[in-house]
Amino acid sequence: GAGVSQSPSNKVTEKGKDVELRCDPISGHTALYWYRQRLGQGLEFLIYFQGNSAPDKSGLPSDRFSAERTGESVSTLTIQRTQQEDSAVYLCASSLDRGVEQPQHFGDGTRLSIL
Amino acid sequence: QKEVEQNSGPLSVPEGAIASLNCTYSDRVSQSFFWYRQYSGKSPELIMSIYSNGDKEDGRFTAQLNKASQYVSLLIRDSQPSDSATYLCAVNKYNFNKFYFGSGTKLNVKP
Repeated sequence: GAGVSQSPSNKVTEKGKDVELRCDPISGHTALYWYRQRLGQGLEFLIYFQGNSAPDKSGLPSDRFSAERTGESVSTLTIQRTQQEDSAVYLCASSLDRGVEQPQHFGDGTRLSIL
Repeated sequence: QKEVEQNSGPLSVPEGAIASLNCTYSDRVSQSFFWYRQYSGKSPELIMSIYSNGDKEDGRFTAQLNKASQYVSLLIRDSQPSDSATYLCAVNKYNFNKFYFGSGTKLNVKP
């Protein structure tokens, strides 16, 4: 596709359930990022993938959060045993490579609401 | 101390005026700086990037970087109501893989 694609666009689930969010980056983009944005807040870095290198997981807030990416394709972010504080918009971004001057291109996000 | 600080606003300017948005960062090793525009309910889109001290102009937008004072600003000339959005400042440090975002400044351009 032309841009970064995320699904679902909205997800409402009960506290304690597991959720899986999907990101399909721009074709050829080797770098992929996940962010969390709470209402009225800035972007909080979660995790970064670059090609086949080990991901930078330093932003994941707890062990309930995990993410996977196979090669340079789709990534999934999984949140286990969801809590109300997990309610936020989860944004995925991709860039061409890890060069410092490469901008990030964002998807439309997944709005997650935990009841 | 936050990595990147922005005044949350809202900043209100009349149509046709210059809007000035400011951002400060805490780590001197920061290398690249980006301004993103985010409309309500939408994802951020890149407006400007700057890597060297001084000014960089692109149409109605000018980014200014002062590494000695650790601030970066965005000027929007001839502001239009369509410029009304939240503007996010982002900083990339020595390790290329982590961007730090400010909480954003909300800009309102009044017709």
